Amino acid sequence: NAGVMQNPRHLVRRRGQEARLRCSPMKGHSHVYWYRQLPEEGLKFMVYLQKENIIDESGMPKERFSAEFPKEGPSILRIQQVVRGDSAAYFCASSPLPGTGIKGNQPQHFGDGTRLSIL
Amino acid sequence: RKEVEQDPGPFNVPEGATVAFNCTYSNSASQSFFWYRQDCRKEPKLLMSVYSSGNEDGRFTAQLNRASQYISLLIRDSKLSDSATYLCVVNKPGTYKYIFGTGTRLKVLA
Repeated sequence: NAGVMQNPRHLVRRRGQEARLRCSPMKGHSHVYWYRQLPEEGLKFMVYLQKENIIDESGMPKERFSAEFPKEGPSILRIQQVVRGDSAAYFCASSPLPGTGIKGNQPQHFGDGTRLSIL
Repeated sequence: RKEVEQDPGPFNVPEGATVAFNCTYSNSASQSFFWYRQDCRKEPKLLMSVYSSGNEDGRFTAQLNRASQYISLLIRDSKLSDSATYLCVVNKPGTYKYIFGTGTRLKVLA
């Protein structure tokens, strides 16, 4: 499967624990985006990363949330000391180098998502 | 004004009907436009890019109106399997960000 791979599909944590969500982009894609989606709501941008660089984290909460995309391995979205309000679907998307499409930016392709539930 | 705005619906249409959705965007400098489809509790899937000249893919037609700053999606001969939420996506100029609309829900009825 050459698509965007996210794991785990479902993650259950108790309040105060840490949650780690992983995303491997599509082959050939060097850009990763993380989104959060609450039930019955739209996708909210969290962070945009290239390998070893955070390009835009304007959608990330200032505390408890962090993201990385190391030189080797998947991108990781980390949530420390989780609270009930962190329960959501977290989607990762990848794209080739933006702006390289014939007609503007390339579209993003999404992984299956991680459903995070906080008890 | 929201950066990307869609009518949430739901649009309830009978099988075989033609249905159209619009999506307005606020930044006239946006250059990239897409329609995605999202089924309940699933990931968004790219339906089609939207080009300036308009484009068609089978029963689906996308149009861009720069003067009025909206894009549209037309679905002909609706199928039950077209029932989903349709997301409008627009790039944010000067950044690599994509702004997602909250989606329009379509229900095709037998």
